[in-house]
Amino acid sequence: AQSVTQPDIHITVSEGASLELRCNYSYGATPYLFWYVQSPGQGLQLLLKYFSGDTLVQGIKGFEAEFKRSQSSFNLRKPSVHWSDAAEYFCAVGRDGNKLVFGAGTILRVKS
Amino acid sequence: DTAVSQTPKYLVTQMGNDKSIKCEQNLGHDTMYWYKQDSKKFLKIMFSYNNKELIINETVPNRFSPKSPDKAHLNLHINSLELGDSAVYFCASSQDPSLEAFFGQGTRLTVV
Repeated sequence: AQSVTQPDIHITVSEGASLELRCNYSYGATPYLFWYVQSPGQGLQLLLKYFSGDTLVQGIKGFEAEFKRSQSSFNLRKPSVHWSDAAEYFCAVGRDGNKLVFGAGTILRVKS
Repeated sequence: DTAVSQTPKYLVTQMGNDKSIKCEQNLGHDTMYWYKQDSKKFLKIMFSYNNKELIINETVPNRFSPKSPDKAHLNLHINSLELGDSAVYFCASSQDPSLEAFFGQGTRLTVV
């Protein structure tokens, strides 16, 4: 069965600093991987996705993520965080079972 | 135009009542979903429909009954509401069950 772990419940970074949010998955083959962002009171917006090919994927809002098969990871990164990036971030895995399995989420706080 | 829209956005109701949440997508997708986000922000799939046929029912109490009149609509009816049903319910759609899902804004259900 698919599963996703986001080890960090909360992360606080200063505005302008770099960001890395961790995501580890459990899946027997190469999964489809996603990062979503949820702003307070809002729905989920897709930031980026990985299906195959280049393991470094670019997304919207300046985010990128790197798929590392050896580590079963798909960490989200941003070189310089803006205050508007404060939100909750969800990693998800799909492919089997006709559904997405989500991690528990990481809340990002940005200090000015 | 909103891609996935659900109504109402907020719903406050008493225990024992029956309520419905409606969802419509204008993306031409074949697959629609209902996800539940609990108070700890954990997202879990409830139902998935593909071309109006139920393909996933994730051990949801039978008080919850989805209905898909056509592939652009997936409504959720809940009978005999309980306090534990309080959550945010998200509708989503995707072109293929294994691909990225597009989410609605959510319906915050509060049972008092």
